Amino acid sequence: GAVVSQHPSRVICKSGTSVKIECRSLDFQATTMFWYRQFPKQSLMLMATSNEGSKATYEQGVEKDKFLINHASLTLSTLTVTSAHPEDSSFYICSAGAVPGTSGGWDTQYFGPGTRLTVL
Amino acid sequence: AQTVTQSQPEMSVQEAETVTLSCTYDTSESDYYLFWYKQPPSRQMILVIRQEAYKQQNATENRFSVNFQKAAKSFSLKISDSQLGDAAMYFCAYRKYGNKLVFGAGTILRVKS
Repeated sequence: GAVVSQHPSRVICKSGTSVKIECRSLDFQATTMFWYRQFPKQSLMLMATSNEGSKATYEQGVEKDKFLINHASLTLSTLTVTSAHPEDSSFYICSAGAVPGTSGGWDTQYFGPGTRLTVL
Repeated sequence: AQTVTQSQPEMSVQEAETVTLSCTYDTSESDYYLFWYKQPPSRQMILVIRQEAYKQQNATENRFSVNFQKAAKSFSLKISDSQLGDAAMYFCAYRKYGNKLVFGAGTILRVKS
């Protein structure tokens, strides 16, 4: 149980285009989802926290107009990188926190497999 | 602010041997969770083990166990009978109830055959 999927697994796009990444909790409901960015051999950097049905909370230094997050349902959150540039190239990982009473309990986060974004 | 420190950037272990990865954290809270996550070359983050701070008993998951020292704010991970598949980056993480995870910098574990 507690499986999180992410799509696409990798994407290459041209500079100036927008890219959408989907994150789904497959077998549990997630009231809260998290989006991370990770550079090679480094730790995960939290970008934003999204709660179902409300606006995302962005970490300091993260441009909310560039990284649009939508959490429309208890099983789906999306991250859209708008007007992507080469410096946005990175590995993006989503994570979902389980609803109380479901697999793993509220305070356990389960992670998607990540999306490698390359902006040319 | 809470911080998590993993002082070992890299560790090596011989196959079938035991290795311990260190983690210390700083918090003024009394109730919280601690986690170890594994990130293999596929980069999929996998939950290895979790510990609730109010529980005195150390968590165990098969070959993985922790040494949780609450007063010392220490949370080390012991891997017994190391296998080649254990090679990965290991992250220690802290979470206050309902709050975001705070990760350490990670420890790269290499397993030698």
